[in-house]
Amino acid sequence: KAGVTQTPRYLIKTRGQQVTLSCSPISGHRSVSWYQQTPGQGLQFLFEYFSETQRNKGNFPGRFSGRQFSNSRSEMNVSTLELGDSALYLCASGDPVVTKNIQYFGAGTRLSVL
Amino acid sequence: GQQVMQIPQYQHVQEGEDFTTYCNSSTTLSNIQWYKQRPGGHPVFLIQLVKSGEVKKQKRLTFQFGEAKKNSSLHITATQTTDVGTYFCAAPKLTDSWGKLQFGAGTQVVVTP
Repeated sequence: KAGVTQTPRYLIKTRGQQVTLSCSPISGHRSVSWYQQTPGQGLQFLFEYFSETQRNKGNFPGRFSGRQFSNSRSEMNVSTLELGDSALYLCASGDPVVTKNIQYFGAGTRLSVL
Repeated sequence: GQQVMQIPQYQHVQEGEDFTTYCNSSTTLSNIQWYKQRPGGHPVFLIQLVKSGEVKKQKRLTFQFGEAKKNSSLHITATQTTDVGTYFCAAPKLTDSWGKLQFGAGTQVVVTP
């Protein structure tokens, strides 16, 4: 079974631009969660989607948004990028029935904002 | 609100030695999970503990869940260079959706040959 796939793996953007990150969960998993990882703040929860609905949201500004499609694939969007948005963005998939609340992470997208 | 605190932040270990990392919560946890992230990698699930006082072993790794379900520990015996990485504990908030995990800050383990 294929693991969680995140694209792209690396991104370089400039301040003010916007970016879209993609995540394909493990087949059969209906939940996708997004995390931001930085050296200073560690792993911070962004939001979680289950069956195309956002079920939970972390404490991030509205510039961070996401969505989930009917095939469980998810996208995350960051608008008006700031230098502080430079981070590793991790997507994790799971399912309340299949995995309980164990999450399986993708390799991440490393975003650099210049 | 619920906070998950992990100590120590850094652990320098001589190869062959043992060490323990600890995770403490301000509230009772439904379960606790441990993940390992190798340098340049992503978090990989290691184990989940659910029951009060539960102890689970994976080869040289021993995981414990406290009786009050507020703390957990990971003990590694005879450390090897393959143990290098950051170990995170994580727990769902009881009041939140199961898909949201609160992670500790992690213990970064460096192994000296």
